[in-house]
Amino acid sequence: QVQLQESGPGLVKPSETLSLTCSVSGDSVTSPDYRWSWIRQTPEKGLECIGNMYYRGSTVYSPSFKSRVTISVDVSKNTFSLKLNSVTAADTGVYYCVRGGEWFDPWGQGILVTVSS
Amino acid sequence: DIQLTQSPSFLSASVGDRVTIACRASQGLSTNLAWYQQKPGKAPQLLISSVSILQSGVPSRFSGTGSGTEFTLTITSLQPEDFATYYCQQFYNDPRTFGPGTQVDIK
Repeated sequence: QVQLQESGPGLVKPSETLSLTCSVSGDSVTSPDYRWSWIRQTPEKGLECIGNMYYRGSTVYSPSFKSRVTISVDVSKNTFSLKLNSVTAADTGVYYCVRGGEWFDPWGQGILVTVSS
Repeated sequence: DIQLTQSPSFLSASVGDRVTIACRASQGLSTNLAWYQQKPGKAPQLLISSVSILQSGVPSRFSGTGSGTEFTLTITSLQPEDFATYYCQQFYNDPRTFGPGTQVDIK
């Protein structure tokens, strides 16, 4: 059974960098069959795809986030990570790591990140 | 970006009712559309991929139809565990986008 689990700070100050890690079990981030994605959910904009990565290093970022996002992989730990720079209150929301780049399944449980001083 | 709209935004129904949720796209998607169910405090769960492919473990009372810009999710006999919010999502191009959701509540 594939499981994903997000981890990281639940509180980030404005203008700082949001950093989250997704631990994957039951599958490998080096699988050639899947991309690995970050999606967030906010009351204002609903569900938004931030971007995804393929283990060979290719990444696809949503234009809305492209200037300030980095998604990377750590093959040795079977994890992938999200960094979002220059956060504002509008970045407050629940962040999910997900397997897939077309449809998304399964999802991590989500982590609430609040941007506040 | 491809815009997805859903109708209705909210519906109130009873156990046993037939429920239909519509999803409309701002451009043609062919069959590149998925449906998700989300319960309060939980992550979305994939129900259907590629318009009509039911995921393993999803009850057969759920079904999806459509192509191009018009799609439908149908629940033939609503069960208590089906009260949730439903989202459509396109994977025709990047960035992948979601509809705003349809909340199905108990009448």
